[in-house]
Amino acid sequence: GEDVEQSLFLSVREGDSSVINCTYTDSSSTYLYWYKQEPGAGLQLLTYIFSNMDMKQDQRLTVLLNKKDKHLSLRIADTQTGDSAIYFCAESIWNTGNQFYFGTGTSLTVIP
Amino acid sequence: GAGVSQSPSNKVTEKGKDVELRCDPISGHTALYWYRQRLGQGLEFLIYFQGNSAPDKSGLPSDRFSAERTGESVSTLTIQRTQQEDSAVYLCASSLAGGPGETQYFGPGTRLLVL
Repeated sequence: GEDVEQSLFLSVREGDSSVINCTYTDSSSTYLYWYKQEPGAGLQLLTYIFSNMDMKQDQRLTVLLNKKDKHLSLRIADTQTGDSAIYFCAESIWNTGNQFYFGTGTSLTVIP
Repeated sequence: GAGVSQSPSNKVTEKGKDVELRCDPISGHTALYWYRQRLGQGLEFLIYFQGNSAPDKSGLPSDRFSAERTGESVSTLTIQRTQQEDSAVYLCASSLAGGPGETQYFGPGTRLLVL
């Protein structure tokens, strides 16, 4: 499959901004996604961006896409302890069907 | 139901036994996906169904793994002669039509432990 890479861990203090980064290899991706996985819970879609956009804002979340560098980031403003979770970056590629490729996840720890 | 459901939620089996995992997608969703998530790793794509057919079986790790879907609804993932390396969380997801840009809705997963 395609390579989608993320750093494994990130720690931030409550109230600070968190930035989670992701790189991918396939330039034919159609959409890029951020999912959140809380302990003991399933994957929850946070936000997504169409590949011809470079930014999307949704309340405390800002997604930035640099298609040239194949780099995606998720910024969480005013990070709260409830934001502690694993965040997965994913890309979808339309081939014979909608294929999804996920990164390994970044574990975000918010320190009170 | 309102979301994707999976059963069982946990399964412990002995090496060499067969297991069957079930996924009930959101009603009306024609696309269904199976993933595997090993401890500390990301999601690994296994198989994708569009209706009852699977155009992409490239992710199945070996011939011990098979999946089927009937009635454009329930899907079962079967692992024969389980091995310890099969221990993982198996996640199912569905989307409305499998088209470009569709978001996937995930079930809670089945935690499989092979002793």
